[in-house]
Amino acid sequence: QSVLTQPPSASGTPGQRVTISCSGSSSNIGSNYVYWYQQLPGTAPKLLIYKNNQRPSGVPDRFSGSKSGTSASLAISGLRSEDEADYYCAAWDDDLSRDVVFGGGTKLTVL
Amino acid sequence: EVQLVESGGGLVQPGGSLRLSCAASGFSFSSYAMSWVRQAPGKGLEYVSAISSNGGSTYYANSVKGRVTISRDNSKNTLFLQMGSLRAEDMAVYYCARVGIGAVGIDYWGQGTLVTVSS
Repeated sequence: QSVLTQPPSASGTPGQRVTISCSGSSSNIGSNYVYWYQQLPGTAPKLLIYKNNQRPSGVPDRFSGSKSGTSASLAISGLRSEDEADYYCAAWDDDLSRDVVFGGGTKLTVL
Repeated sequence: EVQLVESGGGLVQPGGSLRLSCAASGFSFSSYAMSWVRQAPGKGLEYVSAISSNGGSTYYANSVKGRVTISRDNSKNTLFLQMGSLRAEDMAVYYCARVGIGAVGIDYWGQGTLVTVSS
């Protein structure tokens, strides 16, 4: 059971815009930044979004992040076949027994 | 170019021990906190352990507390994870990951090393 809640799957057709949600609590998303990671099949995760909505250099502007209260979302516009991957949200958690918490991951399928 | 290369994974019997290593290059290793994140087969990511840049502060997830020790050798740009009393549920790919400066999150990951716990 992951601390952050994501839908297990999402899908879209090429060119479409899809969003992936991430729900948490006041101790994590509500009081800390949200991060998003992309994991292509058989590879290590890659940082996609940091500080809620910032993109590392090299990440296309088709990817965008937002946060409101204790929830966050990742939007992918102009969907491409190479975007098919698992996406994870993460946040630091202020609970003393935790540090970084992850969502369970969303498998994005490009139809 | 930032590179993180894990080693030390393999097959171990339940109750056994293993030491994972992560060789870092391409950045000032001693300036960054480092972490281990694991992923069980077909499952999501779990933050296992972390260590501050100078090694003075550590974090362990409840699932591994008392059974693993994280350490680092800044003179050799290497991160370690000593694992003991291994259980079936510890079987996973273990990723070495850099904790970025300035709240940029876990910004670089190694390719991972597989730990298999089985008799």
